[in-house]
Amino acid sequence: NAGVTQTPKFQVLKTGQSMTLQCAQDMNHEYMSWYRQDPGMGLRLIHYSVGAGITDQGEVPNGYNVSRSTTEDFPLRLLSAAPSQTSVYFCASGGIVKQETQYFGPGTRLLVL
Amino acid sequence: AQSVSQHNHHVILSEAASLELGCNYSYGGTVNLFWYVQYPGQHLQLLLKYFSGDPLVKGIKGFEAEFIKSKFSFNLRKPSVQWSDTAEYFCAVNEGGSYIPTFGRGTSLIVHP
Repeated sequence: NAGVTQTPKFQVLKTGQSMTLQCAQDMNHEYMSWYRQDPGMGLRLIHYSVGAGITDQGEVPNGYNVSRSTTEDFPLRLLSAAPSQTSVYFCASGGIVKQETQYFGPGTRLLVL
Repeated sequence: AQSVSQHNHHVILSEAASLELGCNYSYGGTVNLFWYVQYPGQHLQLLLKYFSGDPLVKGIKGFEAEFIKSKFSFNLRKPSVQWSDTAEYFCAVNEGGSYIPTFGRGTSLIVHP
């Protein structure tokens, strides 16, 4: 199993550009989520999904869109990038029982100029 | 809303020193507790977790954590740290029946050889 994969690893954008961060998992997990990690702020939940066709907002959803058309994939879209979105983005997946461990991807480091 | 506090933001130790990282949560009901570790340049991975039973939980690499319900705490300990323990450590809590973890802000540990 590859676990949770993310692409790209690094990305530089100009303000106003759009892009999609890809996330895929091969563990048949129902739950997938996106976090951003900023110095001193820890991990903040952006969006999450509990299955194909079901998504919901987390703590910091503004400026981001998600969709879940399959169990495996959970892309994160930045519609109009802003410098405040410079961060490291992690995708995670897990089961939908309370005891489940979260499995994290390797992260995408995004710089918005 | 659930909150998770990690009071030590930065910890610097010498090799062989003992480690204790604090984690407190605010939810008064049943919780499931996790410690994750993020080594430099890597993604988060599970260190240990508590669901029920013995409140002293042993994890990988000699780490352990103790759940003290009366203190709403789940502190991480290691008797003798190594240089390779240099990493960021995150406490996470699932409240009640939720599968969505709330993360603390993280503690950065630097171990000097």
